[in-house]
Amino acid sequence: DAKTTQPNSMESNEEEPVHLPCNHSTISGTDYIHWYRQLPSQGPEYVIHGLTSNVNNRMASLAIAEDRKSSTLILHRATLRDAAVYYCILRDIEGDFGNEKLTFGTGTRLTIIP
Amino acid sequence: DSGVTQTPKHLITATGQRVTLRCSPRSGDLSVYWYQQSLDQGLQFLIQYYNGEERAKGNILERFSAQQFPDLHSELNLSSLELGDSALYFCASSDPGGGGEQYFGPGTRLTVT
Repeated sequence: DAKTTQPNSMESNEEEPVHLPCNHSTISGTDYIHWYRQLPSQGPEYVIHGLTSNVNNRMASLAIAEDRKSSTLILHRATLRDAAVYYCILRDIEGDFGNEKLTFGTGTRLTIIP
Repeated sequence: DSGVTQTPKHLITATGQRVTLRCSPRSGDLSVYWYQQSLDQGLQFLIQYYNGEERAKGNILERFSAQQFPDLHSELNLSSLELGDSALYFCASSDPGGGGEQYFGPGTRLTVT
């Protein structure tokens, strides 16, 4: 699986936007970029994914660089409930059907300051 | 609530014992995945089942086994337990027609004493 690099930790003020970076310089053309987050004492939670174009959903936005070697997860207005570990994961869409395991790295621990 | 349920929530047992963790996927999801989260190893993929058949294996020990039943629920069996098996065990499910996103259950916290 292609590797991703994320900062170990970040802090942000409540009600301000948060930009979480992820580098994936060895990404292949068939790798989707997935983001999950894990709130304290909970299982991981799907946030968003994309291939080439920027993506928006009710939780966040995903900005993908033109060369796809990096991406940024954007939380538009952070709340205390967004404090979590955020994982950036590459998943090969052309892998064996049904073999869609996720390879988690260490992620970024986001702290929200009230 | 992801729609994935796991039982029990907590399990405390002694070394050498055997336990079974249970997972019910979201309605309609055919794939079930098991992950282990320990403090030193992070979140690691163990095994995947798709519609009753084993589809992918990760870092699963030989002492561990799993199965998926016709009603699509899954069980993870851990035997000859060691102190190092203490961890959170998560089950996830996904819809083959979806975008590849996985939905995780709340986990089972296993403590081996």
